[in-house]
Amino acid sequence: AQSVTQLGSHVSVSEGALVLLRCNYSSSVPPYLFWYVQYPNQGLQLLLKYTSAATLVKGINGFEAEFKKSETSFHLTKPSAHMSDAAEYFCAVSTGGGADGLTFGKGTHLIIQP
Amino acid sequence: SAVISQKPSRDICQRGTSLTIQCQVDSQVTMMFWYRQQPGQSLTLIATANQGSEATYESGFVIDKFPISRPNLTFSTLTVSNMSPEDSSIYLCSADRNTGELFFGEGSRLTVL
Repeated sequence: AQSVTQLGSHVSVSEGALVLLRCNYSSSVPPYLFWYVQYPNQGLQLLLKYTSAATLVKGINGFEAEFKKSETSFHLTKPSAHMSDAAEYFCAVSTGGGADGLTFGKGTHLIIQP
Repeated sequence: SAVISQKPSRDICQRGTSLTIQCQVDSQVTMMFWYRQQPGQSLTLIATANQGSEATYESGFVIDKFPISRPNLTFSTLTVSNMSPEDSSIYLCSADRNTGELFFGEGSRLTVL
């Protein structure tokens, strides 16, 4: 079985500040890990994914995440927040690279303050 | 990336009725998935739809309530049967094109009165 825990249902940062969204996973086998973003009234868009290659993964819109096996973490960061980053962010885990579906965390609502 | 279209994008339905959601992918895909996102919640996998076989349902979801069809490699439907207000959710279709990631449609927002 696999699971995902996202710490903080809401995170608020100032525009230009560092964004850090936390994700911890549980998996009995080496995981595939994903971050998705959902803007209001839209579907999910893939930000980045980890599939056992480089542990530091760069995604779209300036986001990146680092896979830390020892900490079972896959935190999402962005050096400088932009107002357009305000959205819901979901961390997800799979053991089959998506072929077995994804298990999602509860999501973190990112608020950007001017 | 794959383009996934869902219809309807939203609907308001009466209790006891059924609604079928269509999902069209712009290329052939092996695996298609249906998720539910209840208001303010995360996504929960309903079932996996493979072409040429019965859908595989997750715990808590049954075929009588959520029948699924997968007639070919680019299309699937999900029916929400005998709806109640508790079925008010966003239903999302997704597809795996063997690239190690899932692509999502924009969802179908159902409100049951």
